[in-house]
Order: sequence, then C-alpha cells, then structure tokens
Amino acid sequence: DPKIIQKPKYLVAVTGSEKILICEQYLGHNAMYWYRQSAKKPLEFMFSYSYQKLMDNQTASSRFQPQSSKKNHLDLQITALKPDDSATYFCASSQAETLYFGSGTRLTVL
Amino acid sequence: QQQVRQSPQSLTVWEGETAILNCSYEDSTFDYFPWYWQFPRESPALLIAIRPVSNKKEDGRFTIFFNKREKKLSLHITDSQPGDSATYFCAASRTSSGQKLVFGQGTILKVYL
Repeated sequence: DPKIIQKPKYLVAVTGSEKILICEQYLGHNAMYWYRQSAKKPLEFMFSYSYQKLMDNQTASSRFQPQSSKKNHLDLQITALKPDDSATYFCASSQAETLYFGSGTRLTVL
Repeated sequence: QQQVRQSPQSLTVWEGETAILNCSYEDSTFDYFPWYWQFPRESPALLIAIRPVSNKKEDGRFTIFFNKREKKLSLHITDSQPGDSATYFCAASRTSSGQKLVFGQGTILKVYL
C-alpha cells in the first residue's frame, strides 16, 4: 500500500492555466516536502513544512503555493502555468533522517 | 552553480564487477550525505547515508567512502547485479535544515549479465 498518495499521476495543462497537485501521507510524519524533477535539472527542493507550518521555500516564483489543510496533507497549487513547469513533482515526508517520496505527479504544460 | 556534482553521468559494468560512483560537494557546512536510488518509473528511495564523523559506511554490497578534506565521497557497489541497474543520486544537507536535500545530477548505472 502506498503510504504517500499523490494525485493525479499524470496531468496535462495548457499554458496560463492553474492546477492543484494533491498529496496525502499516512506515515504519521510531521514534516512534509515538495521536490521537482525535470529532464533539465536534478531533483530540486521546493518547500518544506513542519506541523503544517512553512519552514523553507526555495521556489523563486510565487506561482507555486503549497497548501496544508490537514496535518497529513500538503497540496501544491501552481498558477499561470508555463511549459518550463513541465516536470515530475514529488511529495515527500520525513521522520528523523529518511526522506520518503510519493510516486509523483508528472505534469506536462502545452 | 551546482553544489553537488556526480560522475560519471552513466556507467556500465558487468555482473559481478565493482561499480564506483563519485560525488563531490562545495559547501563545507553540509553534514549529512545520503545516496538515493531511483528505478525507471519509480520514485527515489534512500539507499545508504553517511555523516562526516565517519569516513566509511557499509551496508551489504554498498559502501560509502568519505573524504572530508577533499569534499568528496564515492559509492562502491561490489558484486554488481542486474537488479542494481538504476539512477543513483548523491545528496547533501545540513542537520539544521531537516531534509532539505541538495541532489546531484545522478549517475545512470547499467549492469549487464
């Protein structure tokens, strides 16, 4: 059973639109993260949350907004989508030193 | 600039050989170095990790060698198996930053029979 559920698995969007990537984790972890992986860049840290509070933001653009409605939820809203946003977005959580990744949402922006 | 660099970009070995994957970093404040592996169409998963208090960490066929002075580390995979074929990512972080990992570009390892 997947412990970190990401929805949808695949997502196609048009330039300028807005999408929300869903993440729920059932590992009981208090820290959650978003990472991005694209063909052009290595796995890249975006955000970290602890107890539903933003701890770190490495995303230069305000078009990316994490949303935590519940302790085990960390969604990612992306507005004004651009083709360069095409990537696989991984939600992750951690307890101690191990980072656990979800299966990812592959976003393609046309 | 890239804070964590990996080489080679890809590596092919035969079954039973030792694969050596290299990693270097720039920031001396990094104090945690995990290696993650990722199989095609799957998400990355932790393989093995080391802290600078040690210069070697072993887990079965996987061993990290760490050189703090040169800011280099390497992952040795002995008796390589076809099932080890994956992309290997070296990463680095500071304890104070939690799991805010800086990843290298990855090394694609292929192990042939």
